Amino acid sequence: KQEVTQIPAALSVPEGENLVLNCSFTDSAIYNLQWFRQDPGKGLTSLLLIQSSQREQTSGRLNASLDKSSGRSTLYIAASQPGDSATYLCAVSLGTRSQGNLIFGKGTKLSVKP
Amino acid sequence: EAGVVQSPRYKIIEKKQPVAFWCNPISGHNTLYWYLQNLGQGPELLIRYENEEAVDDSQLPKDRFSAERLKGVDSTLKIQPAELGDSAVYLCASSKLLGGTDTQYFGPGTRLTVL
Repeated sequence: KQEVTQIPAALSVPEGENLVLNCSFTDSAIYNLQWFRQDPGKGLTSLLLIQSSQREQTSGRLNASLDKSSGRSTLYIAASQPGDSATYLCAVSLGTRSQGNLIFGKGTKLSVKP
Repeated sequence: EAGVVQSPRYKIIEKKQPVAFWCNPISGHNTLYWYLQNLGQGPELLIRYENEEAVDDSQLPKDRFSAERLKGVDSTLKIQPAELGDSAVYLCASSKLLGGTDTQYFGPGTRLTVL
C-alpha cells in the first residue's frame, strides 16, 4: 500500500530564507507527483506536477525535484515571503488502474515571519 | 475561467440526519473526484468519475454514502444517516484528461459538522 510521508510537519523561518520541504513515498510505481498549497479554510492549489519520467519542474521561486528510484521529492522555495505561509501537500498518482487517484501526505505547515 | 464550485461551504447537522453536497466542475473537465479531509490530514479519495461513470468507488462507505454525476457534469455526494465521525471537509476536484494524467483543480470544500 502506497504511503506518503512529509517532513517536517511544521516549519517556521524568517522572511528571505531559502527552504526545502521533503516528501517520501513507499512504492516507486507512480504515474506523477504533485505539490499543492492549502491556505486555512480553502481548497488546494496545484503548484507543480512532475511526471514520473521527469526529474524536476520549476515555477517562479519554486523548484520541485523527483527521484523515483529512492521514493523522494523535494520542494525548494527561494527567498521565502510571508505570503508563502500555508500548508504544503505532496501527492502521488498511482501507476495502476487507479491512475489518477492521488495519495496525499499529511502536509508541512510553513510559517514565514516578517 | 471559473473554478470548481461547491455548495454549501458550511453545514451543521444533528447526527442521524441526511446531508448532501453539490459540486460543479470546471467546464470541459471529464474527470471528477470527491475527497474527504480530516483535520491535520491530507485528503483521501472517496470516489472518482470519468464522465458519468464511477470508475473507482472502492473507498466510498456504501452503507451510508452515495454519489451521482448526472449527464457527466455536476455531482452530488450524500450521507444518510450522518454520524459524528463524518465531521470533516469534503473536497471536490476535477481534471480535463481521462486517466488522471494532468493537474487536478480543487474546490473550496464543504466543512461538515455533525453534532
